[in-house]
Amino acid sequence: GQNIDQPTEMTATEGAIVQINCTYQTSGFNGLFWYQQHAGEAPTFLSYNVLDGLEEKGRFSSFLSRSKGYSYLLLKELQMKDSASYLCAVRERDDKLIFGTGTRLQVFP
Amino acid sequence: GAVVSQHPSRVICKSGTSVKIECRSLDFQATTMFWYRQFPKQSLMLMATSNEGSKATYEQGVEKDKFLINHASLTLSTLTVTSAHPEDSSFYICSARDRNGYTFGSGTRLTVV
Repeated sequence: GQNIDQPTEMTATEGAIVQINCTYQTSGFNGLFWYQQHAGEAPTFLSYNVLDGLEEKGRFSSFLSRSKGYSYLLLKELQMKDSASYLCAVRERDDKLIFGTGTRLQVFP
Repeated sequence: GAVVSQHPSRVICKSGTSVKIECRSLDFQATTMFWYRQFPKQSLMLMATSNEGSKATYEQGVEKDKFLINHASLTLSTLTVTSAHPEDSSFYICSARDRNGYTFGSGTRLTVV
């Protein structure tokens, strides 16, 4: 079966750093994506990891450990506009993209 | 970049009627399109994979006779919700595999009354 778990909700303060974790157990693995989604909108691509290690992209970084089935998204210098849902998604070998449970992040002033 | 156009963005229909949702890749050919459903405060759940020129493959628990998928060309995939009921009210979104990853449609908010 497939299990991709994330914390349901997180809160943080403007200017702070937040780490959103994702653990996965899937039948195949061909990369992990992180997306941001505002309510009623399409997901927006943030990052992609296929090899172990850290990928940095401005205020956002994502880490992957394939042996542990674990990834995290790190958001630095939080802004109010970062309040959104964050979804990790595993690409399986047949190209299906399976989403995690999603994390709603609320940033407070 | 790659664009997937999804229509309609919102639709309200009466219980028992059918609704068709279209996803069109505008500047690339999408041999594979994925259809997702998202309930409020939940994540995207994969319903089915549509492949151009062949039958769609459905995820476990998704009724293929209720959610009809057609992928007749390399640029168009449609999802028809047949005999819709209030519990089918949801946000439906398509996604196409492109050269760089995945491109999503803008989603369709379906409300069945």
